Amino acid sequence: AQSVSQHNHHVILSEAASLELGCNYSYGGTVNLFWYVQYPGQHLQLLLKYFSGDPLVKGIKGFEAEFIKSKFSFNLRKPSVQWSDTAEYFCAVISTSGTYKYIFGTGTRLKVLA
Amino acid sequence: SQTIHQWPATLVQPVGSPLSLECTVEGTSNPNLYWYRQAAGRGLQLLFYSVGIGQISSEVPQNLSASRPQDRQFILSSKKLLLSDSGFYLCAWETQRNTEAFFGQGTRLTVV
Repeated sequence: AQSVSQHNHHVILSEAASLELGCNYSYGGTVNLFWYVQYPGQHLQLLLKYFSGDPLVKGIKGFEAEFIKSKFSFNLRKPSVQWSDTAEYFCAVISTSGTYKYIFGTGTRLKVLA
Repeated sequence: SQTIHQWPATLVQPVGSPLSLECTVEGTSNPNLYWYRQAAGRGLQLLFYSVGIGQISSEVPQNLSASRPQDRQFILSSKKLLLSDSGFYLCAWETQRNTEAFFGQGTRLTVV
């Protein structure tokens, strides 16, 4: 069955620290991968996505993610976090083979201390 | 441009009462539609998804059901609410190209 695992549920960092959030998925076929962010009191919004091509994708606000097919991973990174990055981050997967199930991970709450 | 409307924003219902949450999408046709429940520490749990009118797939056995009477309308229902149905419900849509999902504002349901 298709599933997504996010290993870190709560992360606390100081400003300027580097960030890496883990995401692993379970699915035998080809997938599209996403990271979404939910700032306090706001809707979920897309941070970045991977469909094909260069496995290192860049998103908004300095975020990037690397797709490692052999590890079924799509980890999110940012070299230097800011207080405004405080939010909840969700990894998501949808298969490209027609099951149409858009599956999200359990989310990681990031708190950045000023 | 495409927009998604979900209502009501908050709802307080007694145990045993029926439920109907509605979601409509504008500006696109033949979207994939989704109902999720968001709970702290559990992320977004996929409840139902639909790839077309009358086509509903259920992911989690539960007290809820979904219907898609029109192409851009997705309804989440229950005949008799349970306390455990309390939560934050999100509707979402995406094109059938498996791309970005767009979310409604959500409904905070409290069953008392």
